[in-house]
Formats: sequence, structure tokens, C-alpha cells
Amino acid sequence: DAGITQSPRHKVTETGTPVTLRCHQTENHRYMYWYRQDPGHGLRLIHYSYGVKDTDKGEVSDGYSVSRSKTEDFLLTLESATSSQTSVYFCAISPGTEKLFFGSGTQLSVL
Amino acid sequence: DQQVKQNSPSLSVQEGRISILNCDYTNSMFDYFLWYKKYPAEGPTFLISISSIKDKNEDGRFTVFLNKSAKHLSLHIVPSQPGDSAVYFCAPNNDMRFGAGTRLTVKP
Repeated sequence: DAGITQSPRHKVTETGTPVTLRCHQTENHRYMYWYRQDPGHGLRLIHYSYGVKDTDKGEVSDGYSVSRSKTEDFLLTLESATSSQTSVYFCAISPGTEKLFFGSGTQLSVL
Repeated sequence: DQQVKQNSPSLSVQEGRISILNCDYTNSMFDYFLWYKKYPAEGPTFLISISSIKDKNEDGRFTVFLNKSAKHLSLHIVPSQPGDSAVYFCAPNNDMRFGAGTRLTVKP
């Protein structure tokens, strides 16, 4: 299994608070992704990174920011969490434009 | 803009029968397509892929068919087993956006 760790695994927070989710990999893969999974929408790409300090927006990036200061870490930040951001968040990694390896997910509840 | 569409949100089949999951796409420039399988409370895992230069790829009970003229691919599972019950996603390799997924339920 690819070495991907997401933290925290579960988080409950209040509307308006900042939240940061962490994705850590031990595979030295170049590409890292953040997805959210919601009923009826499947997996939707939030942001992705193609290298240290190289990031780009996905299809649902509003309200989210990311940072990648090291190859192994990709952080997803919700600057001011809203109830619509309640979701399951998945990090994924890939060495190139091929199959993705996913983490176990973070269940985020915004009350 | 949705590049891939899985128009069936759910599918229920009897154990031992064939399961057919479908995926339609719009962009002809993909190199290959991938299918992922996702169990509850777990991340998706890669299942099978097919190159755009092929029309079929088989791996055990799983076969993926690609119809380029129709821009359609399908995943066949034969015979279906209760352990196949999961959500299945299709995705092109160089886009990284997924279809909405199809929830397969295999009944004993």
C-alpha cells in the first residue's frame, strides 16, 4: 500500500473557524491531490500539486487553499469553514499521469 | 465541465450474475481510463485500466470495454460476488476528475 497518511481522521468544528487538513506521503511522488466526496457528486477535485510550491485549482476550489512546502506534505485549509464544507476529504498521490493512490479520508463536520 | 459521466447512481445484481457499470466521456484525448473501487470508510483503490488504443482489458473477473466511437466504456464483473458491493468510479488518467460513481450492491 502507498504510504499516505491523512490527519486528522475525524474533525468537528464550528462555522467560521479555520481548519487545516494534512496529507503526508512517504512515496516521494510528485503529484498530490485533494478531493471531497459528497452523496450524488462522487469525488470532486479541490486542488492539486505538481511539485513543491506548485499548485493549481480543481473543480471546487472556492473556500479552500492549499500549500506544499515539502514533497511529502500537502495541506488543505478552510479559512472560514461553512456547513457546505461538511464532507469526507481524500488525499491522493501519483508519480505521474497514471493511477492515484488514496488516503483513508478525513470526515469533517462543520456545525 | 464534467469530462466523464456515470449516469447510473446505483445497480443491484444477484450473486453469480454479471454486473455492468457504464461510463461516458466527452474528450477523446485521454491516454487511458481507470476504474476505482471504494468501500465505505476507505479511500478508493485502483481496480483496472484500459489504454485508449485497446478495446478490451481483462483481469480475472473484471473486464473493461472501450468503445471509442461512442465515447463509452463499461466495466463487467463476472461472476459478481457480495464482496464486490462498493462504489465504482471511472476516471481518465490525465484529467483526474472522476465520474459521480455507481453504487453496486450484490445480493447473496
